[in-house]
Amino acid sequence: DTAVSQTPKYLVTQMGNDKSIKCEQNLGHDTMYWYKQDSKKFLKIMFSYNNKELIINETVPNRFSPKSPDKAHLNLHINSLELGDSAVYFCASSQRGLAGVPLRFGPGTRLTVT
Amino acid sequence: GESVGLHLPTLSVQEGDNSIINCAYSNSASDYFIWYKQESGKGPQFIIDIRSNMDKRQGQRVTVLLNKTVKHLSLQIAATQPGDSAVYFCAENEGSQGNLIFGKGTKLSVKP
Repeated sequence: DTAVSQTPKYLVTQMGNDKSIKCEQNLGHDTMYWYKQDSKKFLKIMFSYNNKELIINETVPNRFSPKSPDKAHLNLHINSLELGDSAVYFCASSQRGLAGVPLRFGPGTRLTVT
Repeated sequence: GESVGLHLPTLSVQEGDNSIINCAYSNSASDYFIWYKQESGKGPQFIIDIRSNMDKRQGQRVTVLLNKTVKHLSLQIAATQPGDSAVYFCAENEGSQGNLIFGKGTKLSVKP
């Protein structure tokens, strides 16, 4: 009965490769997010999707592209991976509507680019 | 203001003592604030939230205080336990879209 799940948990790959991280939520939430956590533990939003519509993109490089086949899934595709992409990526979801609803986070995917 | 430096701010407390973790937020228009706890190797976990029309809210062993005048948020943990050891983040809701902006985090270490 995991609320927000991500796969894989660990991803090690070489520079220049293309990879994807999958996220699924079973909470019935209508909005999903991707956050990046750097080595200093700083969490920064990358994308959010609401009803299959991208509503936030925080100046993330276009090598990163979110794809949402339905409102329960938001996958993250990364092309031409760079060393600086190494981080922990967290998926999250919430029920948008009234402002003030806590996000539920997944367990994270640790991406290491060598 | 926010801490600057290479290392995560750390708070070390003795088991059984009370802990206070502080946070300065940036946007005076933010109307909703959350505290998250992140244990090693896990995702952030919701602890407690507060809306801007309140200045205090209590949960089980945790209390959040909000001072809008100085844009300051604090989390108080009563009778801190080893299981409370984690990194704690404050977050503010910057608008109606639910976009949460996170603070830099504070590492809480509980000594047995």
